[in-house]
Amino acid sequence: EAGVTQFPSHSVIEKGQTVTLRCDPISGHDNLYWYRRVMGKEIKFLLHFVKESKQDESGMPNNRFLAERTGGTYSTLKVQPAELEDSGVYFCASSRTQRETQYFGPGTRLLVL
Amino acid sequence: AQSVTQPDIHITVSEGASLELRCNYSYGATPYLFWYVQSPGQGLQLLLKYFSGDTLVQGIKGFEAEFKRSQSSFNLRKPSVHWSDAAEYFCAVARELYSSASKIIFGSGTRLSIRP
Repeated sequence: EAGVTQFPSHSVIEKGQTVTLRCDPISGHDNLYWYRRVMGKEIKFLLHFVKESKQDESGMPNNRFLAERTGGTYSTLKVQPAELEDSGVYFCASSRTQRETQYFGPGTRLLVL
Repeated sequence: AQSVTQPDIHITVSEGASLELRCNYSYGATPYLFWYVQSPGQGLQLLLKYFSGDTLVQGIKGFEAEFKRSQSSFNLRKPSVHWSDAAEYFCAVARELYSSASKIIFGSGTRLSIRP
């Protein structure tokens, strides 16, 4: 069974540009989470989908970040326009139910110049 | 508010030596506790978790952790480390697993280096 996959693995963009990160959860996992780790800080929760619905988006830093999960399968996280402080590693995780273990993807390393 | 503290930013141990990584949490009730590991270029992998029951939890790769309520700690241990254990280790807590509070709160991580 394939694990959580994320694309791209790395992205380097200039301040003001737009970047879209993609996450494909494990098949059958209704719960999908986004986290990020900015430089030197801890990994922080961004938001949680249950199927296509946003269950908790309390960690989204501002309105430059837009997450979608159309059809309840893969999810995208768009940053528009990107700022320098958005640099970091963006992790996606999925779980079958909210009780079960969250499995993490390898992350997307974003660098905003 | 919940929080997780990993007081050691970087630890170096010799191959074959024992290891203990410290973790303290702040939460009023019994939390759900986790240890994750991130090897270079890899994603986060779950080593072990504590939900309830036996306070000594066995995980993968020979790791174990002990939940001590009186000390609000969940330290990770391994009797003999291998060079492949060099990685960054994250202690984490979740408040609930049945609702929107299932998000995981992470500590800042401890980087483990292994001395040959």
